[in-house]
Amino acid sequence: NAGVTQTPKFRILKIGQSMTLQCAQDMNHNYMYWYRQDPGMGLKLIYYSVGAGITDKGEVPNGYNVSRSTTEDFPLRLELAAPSQTSVYFCASSYGTSQETQYFGPGTRLLVL
Amino acid sequence: AQSVSQHNHHVILSEAASLELGCNYSYGGTVNLFWYVQYPGQHLQLLLKYFSGDPLVKGIKGFEAEFIKSKFSFNLRKPSVQWSDTAEYFCALGAGNNRKLIWGLGTSLAVNP
Repeated sequence: NAGVTQTPKFRILKIGQSMTLQCAQDMNHNYMYWYRQDPGMGLKLIYYSVGAGITDKGEVPNGYNVSRSTTEDFPLRLELAAPSQTSVYFCASSYGTSQETQYFGPGTRLLVL
Repeated sequence: AQSVSQHNHHVILSEAASLELGCNYSYGGTVNLFWYVQYPGQHLQLLLKYFSGDPLVKGIKGFEAEFIKSKFSFNLRKPSVQWSDTAEYFCALGAGNNRKLIWGLGTSLAVNP
């Protein structure tokens, strides 16, 4: 199993550009999550999904959108990138609820200039 | 409101020193507690978790944590650290039926050889 995969690993965006961060898992997990990690700020939940077709907002959803058309994929869309979105983005998944072990991807480092 | 507090933001130890990282939470009901670790250049992974039963939980690489309900604490310990324990450590709270984990801000541990 590849586990949780994320692409790209690193990206530089100009202010106002848009992009999609890809996330896929091959563990047949129901729950998937998008976090951002900023230095000294821990992990902040952006969006999560409890299954295909069902998504919900986390703590910091503004400026982001998600979709979950399949169990495997959970892309994160950034519209009109801003410098405040410079961060490391982690995708994670768990079989059941968030209170089961979450498996994380390797992260996407995003720089918005 | 549910919250997690990690008291030590940065810890520096020499090899063979003992480690204790503090984690306190705020929630009056049933809890599940987690410690995740992020080694340099790697993605987050579960170190150990408490769901119920024995309040002393043992995890990977010789780590353990003790759930003390009366103190709302879940401190992480290791009797003798190694250089390879250099990492960032996150405490997380699963509170009741909350679909989302509550994350601490993390503790950065540096172990000098």
